[in-house]
Amino acid sequence: EMQLVESGGGLVQPGGSLRLSCAASGFTFSSYWMHWVRQAPGKGLVWVSRVNRDGRNTDYADSVKGRFTISRDNAKNTLFLQMNSLRAEDTAVYYCASSIGAFDLWGQGTMVTVSS
Amino acid sequence: DIQMTQSPSSLSASVGDRVTITCQASHDISDHLSWYQQKPGKAPKFLIYDASNLETGVTPRFSGSGSGTDFTFTISSLQPEDVATYYCQQYDDLPLTFGGGTKVEIK
Repeated sequence: EMQLVESGGGLVQPGGSLRLSCAASGFTFSSYWMHWVRQAPGKGLVWVSRVNRDGRNTDYADSVKGRFTISRDNAKNTLFLQMNSLRAEDTAVYYCASSIGAFDLWGQGTMVTVSS
Repeated sequence: DIQMTQSPSSLSASVGDRVTITCQASHDISDHLSWYQQKPGKAPKFLIYDASNLETGVTPRFSGSGSGTDFTFTISSLQPEDVATYYCQQYDDLPLTFGGGTKVEIK
């Protein structure tokens, strides 16, 4: 069964850091671009970042550029999101998703709460 | 950025009704559009890609059409299990953007 499982969410103070992980199984992880998408409580979906198949090319939404870093370890079938200088507006469920074009597989999400 | 305008934001229909949701892109995105279903407390589920292609295993009650800037998602006969929020999304250009969502309820 193809699956993505996120972990690493939690409560963090403003200005703090958190590292999210997304473990992939059941498919050839290295064949897919990978993304992070977030959803603030009661709000819609917002794309955050993507990384290409070999991890060499990355893109970010303006709202997180310079603060978040996406990376992947194809040997361990794992995607990461390093989040620094966190703000209250980063509070959301963070989903990882795989894509060839559209987001064809999603994880269950991990909640990140930024609050003092 | 490409803005995706989805309408209506919510709708209520009877079981068996035909339901249509529209999504308009602020720029030509060819057919680089997908649709997702999200039930409360759950992750989005992939339904349609390239505007009109049904993902494997998705009910044929769902369909999509359109190209360029105007797109439509249709549920041919609304069922109770279709209660959810539906999102369109463009993958033609960065940043990848979603519509605001359409909440579908049973009347």
